[in-house]
Amino acid sequence: DGGITQSPKYLFRKEGQNVTLSCEQNLNHDAMYWYRQDPGQGLRLIYYSQIVNDFQKGDIAEGYSVSREKKESFPLTVTSAQKNPTAFYLCASRPGDNLNTEAFFGQGTRLTVV
Amino acid sequence: AQRVTQPEKLLSVFKGAPVELKCNYSYSGSPELFWYVQYSRQRLQLLLRHISRESIKGFTADLNKGETSFHLKKPFAQEEDSAMYYCALTAWGAQKLVFGQGTRLTINP
Repeated sequence: DGGITQSPKYLFRKEGQNVTLSCEQNLNHDAMYWYRQDPGQGLRLIYYSQIVNDFQKGDIAEGYSVSREKKESFPLTVTSAQKNPTAFYLCASRPGDNLNTEAFFGQGTRLTVV
Repeated sequence: AQRVTQPEKLLSVFKGAPVELKCNYSYSGSPELFWYVQYSRQRLQLLLRHISRESIKGFTADLNKGETSFHLKKPFAQEEDSAMYYCALTAWGAQKLVFGQGTRLTINP
C-alpha cells in the first residue's frame, strides 16, 4: 500500500517533555513538509526538506526540530520550548523535480499536552 | 515572502447556486497556485492547479496576476461540495509550499 504514513494518530505528552512524530513515505518523493493545523489558522508550515540531509525552516519553526537522514523519513520533534504544542500535525510529500506537482498528505497526528 | 490569504473562514450557499471561494496571494515572482480540498474524515487532497487550466468536479480557477488572485468558482453548487478548501502557493526556485487559512464551504439543500 503506497502512500504517506504518520504515526501515532493520537499522542499525549506531559509538559516539559520532548516528543517525536513520525512521517514515512514510500512514494520516492524528494520533498517533504510538516504543517500545523489549528482552527481558523489553516495550515502553517513548520519545516520542509527538498532533499536528503537538507531542510529549511518554515513560518513557525520555533520550538520544533527535524531531521532528514533518509529519503523516506522526515520525523518532527516537538521540544519543550514550543509554548503551545497542542495541535493537529500534518506531514506531506511531493516529487522534487517540478513545482507543479501534487502534494500527498498523511492522516495527521493529534498531539495533546497534559 | 510568500503569503496566501483566504478572507472567508466560512461560506454557506444553497444547492444549485454559484460558488466563489476567494484567494489572494503576495509574492514578487511567478508563483504556482493550487486548490486543495479536505472532505469530512478524508485526507487533504489536490483539487486543481492553475498550470493545468482544467475543470475538476465542475470547479475552475483563474490566475489573475494583476489582482494577485486565484479564486475558485463553480456555477452550480452540489451538496457533496461541502468541505474545507485551501489555496496554496509554491514559488519558483524553492519547494516551499504555503497554504492559506482555509474556507469551510457548506452547501445547504
